[in-house]
Amino acid sequence: DAGITQSPRHKVTETGTPVTLRCHQTENHRYMYWYRQDPGHGLRLIHYSYGVKDTDKGEVSDGYSVSRSKTEDFLLTLESATSSQTSVYFCAIKYNTGELFFGEGSRLTVL
Amino acid sequence: GQQLNQSPQSMFIQEGEDVSMNCTSSSIFNTWLWYKQDPGEGPVLLIALYKAGELTSNGRLTAQFGITRKDSFLNISASIPSDVGIYFCAGQLFPGAGSYQLTFGKGTKLSVIP
Repeated sequence: DAGITQSPRHKVTETGTPVTLRCHQTENHRYMYWYRQDPGHGLRLIHYSYGVKDTDKGEVSDGYSVSRSKTEDFLLTLESATSSQTSVYFCAIKYNTGELFFGEGSRLTVL
Repeated sequence: GQQLNQSPQSMFIQEGEDVSMNCTSSSIFNTWLWYKQDPGEGPVLLIALYKAGELTSNGRLTAQFGITRKDSFLNISASIPSDVGIYFCAGQLFPGAGSYQLTFGKGTKLSVIP
């Protein structure tokens, strides 16, 4: 157990509404990541963080923002959700050895 | 962005058979990781490889880090029904741009016929 939890685990929302997903870790790791997983695309990096208030974009960052105000929490926000953002979102933390450990995922449906 | 070519995309095998899957890239990686994902869950790390040529086993699983640093394979021996799932390879680029990110293959979906 890598001590990583995601919330909510499931959410249904309407187009145009804001959505925030939370990733919480208990092990004080520096690097945290948000991925989305879609059929045919595998896991794609949205944003990542390399420390408090330090974040950077991944390959599919458009339409998403992140914040990391404290080490243990990494928030992913969809300012105005669209149907194309229906997906399963995974948070991950990186150990010093380079290995990523994933949360259980947050399934988001945008109607 | 960087891409990993993972093959096969899917495979159906009989219980007891051995399985082999691989990933190739045009870029050099300094770390290769293999994950398994069960339905409704997050990917779980199976094996991590850190050196070119490294061969590592985890029970019935064996993975190797290619000598060229551009490929890796995963073998599963004597498959059982609980091996069903999607297997992902992931690589971390040689230190430099993007070295804090992992690049993932698109996965190999394994089905085991009892």
